[in-house]
Amino acid sequence: NAGVTQTPKFQVLKTGQSMTLQCAQDMNHEYMSWYRQDPGMGLRLIHYSVGAGITDQGEVPNGYNVSRSTTEDFPLRLLSAAPSQTSVYFCASSYWTGDEKLFFGSGTQLSVL
Amino acid sequence: GENVEQHPSTLSVQEGDSAVIKCTYSDSASNYFPWYKQELGKGPQLIIDIRSNVGEKKDQRIAVTLNKTAKHFSLHITETQPEDSAVYFCAASIIGSYDKVIFGPGTSLSVIP
Repeated sequence: NAGVTQTPKFQVLKTGQSMTLQCAQDMNHEYMSWYRQDPGMGLRLIHYSVGAGITDQGEVPNGYNVSRSTTEDFPLRLLSAAPSQTSVYFCASSYWTGDEKLFFGSGTQLSVL
Repeated sequence: GENVEQHPSTLSVQEGDSAVIKCTYSDSASNYFPWYKQELGKGPQLIIDIRSNVGEKKDQRIAVTLNKTAKHFSLHITETQPEDSAVYFCAASIIGSYDKVIFGPGTSLSVIP
């Protein structure tokens, strides 16, 4: 059982470039989400989804897009990367039954130059 | 909105001693308080959680206490071991409201052998 898988682990972009961070889970979780982790600021919610075809914004959604075409996958797209998006990104998933336990992937460290 | 503060930001203890991390929250509607442990290079992992109808919960060397009146909750680790060294995050949320999980800024715990 792989859990939550994120790719790539590391990425360096130039300002203005676009890219997609991949996230897949094999636990049949309905809820999936993306967080960014910055020093001294904990984890902040970017976007989340409660099922295929349903997405919504979190606390810091600007500059990011998501889609959820299948239960398993929840990619995060950076349309035009900015240095302010340098961060560590985590994907998380959970059952949508009131059980709040989040399962996190191992993260993607992104640097935007 | 909810705000979660966490103290201390760094903590060093001798192996075998106890460690205590404290968090405060602002939204009295919050009713679920998880703690996550993040080891170097990995994603956060849930270690213990508590709901607002319980004042204390214990799991082997780890315990969490909740004071709803004062809006604070704490993580207690007894008989610390080097493998307890990690970053610990507290969070506060409203059960069923996945967009309202607010994390504290984290505590870096070092256990000195």
